[in-house]
Amino acid sequence: DAGVIQSPRHEVTEMGQEVTLRCKPISGHDYLFWYRQTMMRGLELLIYFNNNVPIDDSGMPEDRFSAKMPNASFSTLKIQPSEPRDSAVYFCASSLGTQGTLYEQYFGPGTRLTVT
Amino acid sequence: AQRVTQPEKLLSVFKGAPVELKCNYSYSGSPELFWYVQYSRQRLQLLLRHISRESIKGFTADLNKGETSFHLKKPFAQEEDSAMYYCALMRNSSASKIIFGSGTRLSIRP
Repeated sequence: DAGVIQSPRHEVTEMGQEVTLRCKPISGHDYLFWYRQTMMRGLELLIYFNNNVPIDDSGMPEDRFSAKMPNASFSTLKIQPSEPRDSAVYFCASSLGTQGTLYEQYFGPGTRLTVT
Repeated sequence: AQRVTQPEKLLSVFKGAPVELKCNYSYSGSPELFWYVQYSRQRLQLLLRHISRESIKGFTADLNKGETSFHLKKPFAQEEDSAMYYCALMRNSSASKIIFGSGTRLSIRP
């Protein structure tokens, strides 16, 4: 298994443009998470899904951000319009919904977004 | 509300010296705690979890409920330990949601 796959790995865009980040979770995992990593704030949970349904989107910064999971093998995070303060590394992670000793989140390589 | 605090953004120690990365949490129930690590050019990955009481790569972490801490320790630092470390908390009854601290960058000097 290639693990969690994210694309693109790097994205440079101009302020005001729409940005779409993509994620393919590990096959069989029923939870999917989107995180944002910045120097100032560390790793922040934006939203997560269980069986393709959004469970908690309280971390989504504002209406410019939206996320979808149309099926078990694909999710997108969209920013429209993008702003320079959105520049960060965005991670996708997936997990099995078990707790205790079996619980672990598996992270993708991240997408480094730069908004100029 | 649950919160994870890592007071040090950067920790620099010499090779062979002891290492302690601090983590404090706030949660009224019984949490599950983790340490995740991100080495240069690698993915963020699980290092250890308190429930397993394991030692990974020489690192250990003990949950201290009285002090609400979960500090990560290693008696003798190695250069390959240089990385970004995140402490994380999951509520015992949560649906897999994890709260991460802001991270500590550990730099081991030769």
